[in-house]
Amino acid sequence: ETGVTQSPTHLIKTRGQQVTLRCSSQSGHNTVSWYQQALGQGPQFIFQYYREEENGRGNFPPRFSGLQFPNYSSELNVNALELDDSALYLCASSLDASPDTQYFGPGTRLTVL
Amino acid sequence: AQSVTQPDIHITVSEGASLELRCNYSYGATPYLFWYVQSPGQGLQLLLKYFSGDTLVQGIKGFEAEFKRSQSSFNLRKPSVHWSDAAEYFCAVGTTSGTYKYIFGTGTRLKVLA
Repeated sequence: ETGVTQSPTHLIKTRGQQVTLRCSSQSGHNTVSWYQQALGQGPQFIFQYYREEENGRGNFPPRFSGLQFPNYSSELNVNALELDDSALYLCASSLDASPDTQYFGPGTRLTVL
Repeated sequence: AQSVTQPDIHITVSEGASLELRCNYSYGATPYLFWYVQSPGQGLQLLLKYFSGDTLVQGIKGFEAEFKRSQSSFNLRKPSVHWSDAAEYFCAVGTTSGTYKYIFGTGTRLKVLA
């Protein structure tokens, strides 16, 4: 039990729609990172937020965006959904942005039809 | 380029047998190394980590891993596998250049025979 929660558990959308995924980090953790895990693959880094500012981004297009709030919650937003966006989305919280262990939530399974 | 390789996509072992899961990394600086386990439909649970010091690291559930700098490896081992160990295992490097993030391998799926 990591203390990191995500909602919803599962989500089905159609191509072109927009989606918001939510994450609640451990209390006191100022950093949240988001990862996309396609079927049969390891997680891929999307971006990271530290103290409500974007702190780095992986190789994902701008239609992937995020927010982090002062109450340790955060969001991942994806616009103009594509079929290839179907994946498990994981958020991970850590104390700060320095090298340390990241604690993962259970993930949100997104299916795009 | 930074990368993590897990050469074995699937491994099958009998319950009670020993286990070794391989992980090789390519990273220019001193790596931060992790092993996570993922059960079906679940998130990632940390098994163990290596930051520095003793190269043999003990983790939860009886797992251990050994960091070998000369071989760029961080293999996971368990002396006696239990049926409940069936899951997918991911090796990861924590990058210290730029934004600190994980680079994951593609995972090894472990099947345990009764």
